[in-house]
Amino acid sequence: DAGVTQSPTHLIKTRGQQVTLRCSPKSGHDTVSWYQQALGQGPQFIFQYYEEEERQRGNFPDRFSGHQFPNYSSELNVNALLLGDSALYLCASSSPGQPEETQYFGPGTRLLVL
Amino acid sequence: AQSVTQLGSHVSVSEGALVLLRCNYSSSVPPYLFWYVQYPNQGLQLLLKYTSAATLVKGINGFEAEFKKSETSFHLTKPSAHMSDAAEYFCAVSGPGSARQLTFGSGTQLTVLP
Repeated sequence: DAGVTQSPTHLIKTRGQQVTLRCSPKSGHDTVSWYQQALGQGPQFIFQYYEEEERQRGNFPDRFSGHQFPNYSSELNVNALLLGDSALYLCASSSPGQPEETQYFGPGTRLLVL
Repeated sequence: AQSVTQLGSHVSVSEGALVLLRCNYSSSVPPYLFWYVQYPNQGLQLLLKYTSAATLVKGINGFEAEFKKSETSFHLTKPSAHMSDAAEYFCAVSGPGSARQLTFGSGTQLTVLP
């Protein structure tokens, strides 16, 4: 049973560029959430996708956008990169079949903005 | 708004000693609570979860946590630490509403001394 997968594992960009990160959910899951984890901090919720729509959004600017595909995989796009966007980006998948919707995390994509 | 406080950003124990990692939460609704572990350069792995069934929850790798509503606490314990337990531990509370976004604490780095 494949878990949550993310690509790429590492990425280096320069300020002002745009980046796309990808996530495939755990088998049987249809909901994908994205989190940003800055160095030495806990993860911060960016947004969640369900049925190809953004269901909820955290306190992140519009430079952060996403998409969910019919196969439930998802992309996170960040435009006009800032140095402060350097972080580990985590994808988590869940299923609304459980009331608590336990989230299972992928290994993350480490983004460095120079 | 939901929040999580983890007391002690760094905890050191000797191998074989009791592990106690503290977590207090704030929630306007009955919470779902989680402990995740993060090994260096990896994503988050679910240790255990509280979903309003038994207040004493057992997880993987010998960890357990007790939900105490009167103290708004969900502390993580393990009777005997092993070197392989060295990692960062995050407590999280699940948000209200349909998205069930996770709000994380700032994490506790556990060091196990030989």
